[in-house]
Amino acid sequence: AQSVTQLDSHVSVSEGTPVLLRCNYSSSYSPSLFWYVQHPNKGLQLLLKYTSAATLVKGINGFEAEFKKSETSFHLTKPSAHMSDAAEYFCVVRWLEYGNKLVFGAGTILRVKS
Amino acid sequence: EAGVAQSPRYKIIEKRQSVAFWCNPISGHATLYWYQQILGQGPKLLIQFQNNGVVDDSQLPKDRFSAERLKGVDSTLKIQPAKLEDSAVYLCASSLVLASQRRNTEAFFGQGTRLTVV
Repeated sequence: AQSVTQLDSHVSVSEGTPVLLRCNYSSSYSPSLFWYVQHPNKGLQLLLKYTSAATLVKGINGFEAEFKKSETSFHLTKPSAHMSDAAEYFCVVRWLEYGNKLVFGAGTILRVKS
Repeated sequence: EAGVAQSPRYKIIEKRQSVAFWCNPISGHATLYWYQQILGQGPKLLIQFQNNGVVDDSQLPKDRFSAERLKGVDSTLKIQPAKLEDSAVYLCASSLVLASQRRNTEAFFGQGTRLTVV
């Protein structure tokens, strides 16, 4: 069965330090991969998506993600955290073979300390 | 371009009452999803429509939940009767991508409806 695992439920970093949010998925099929961010009382906003043009994907607000097929991973990174990055982040995967339904990870809450 | 519209934003009801949520997707989006997001968890798919047909409703509790998208545009999700464990945020999303189509277009989400059952 298809599943998405976000390895950390909470991540805490200091402002100005790097951010790493991890995501792994299960399935041998080729996925479409997305990261969404959810600020408190706000809707889900797309950060970036993997389009198969390049394994390293750049998104908004300085975030990047790297698709590693051999590791079935799509980890999200940012070189330097900002206070405004504090939010919940969701890794979302979609497979054509499963009718293109969106499968969510459990989410990672990012806390940024000043 | 207008986004996905949902209403109401908030709803408080007593258990055993009924409630309905409304979603207006982005114009031209054939696929519409309803998700349930319980506090502390990732969103869980309830139902996926393509135009006015159901693609996937395997996780919809059909004894109490129902959804329709009669004209292939707006959709309503109903709960009758509500239980305490239905307290959650209900998210609607829409996408250009069809169930049998390989595209990398993303889904767009509404603000959600926060339901509290007391």
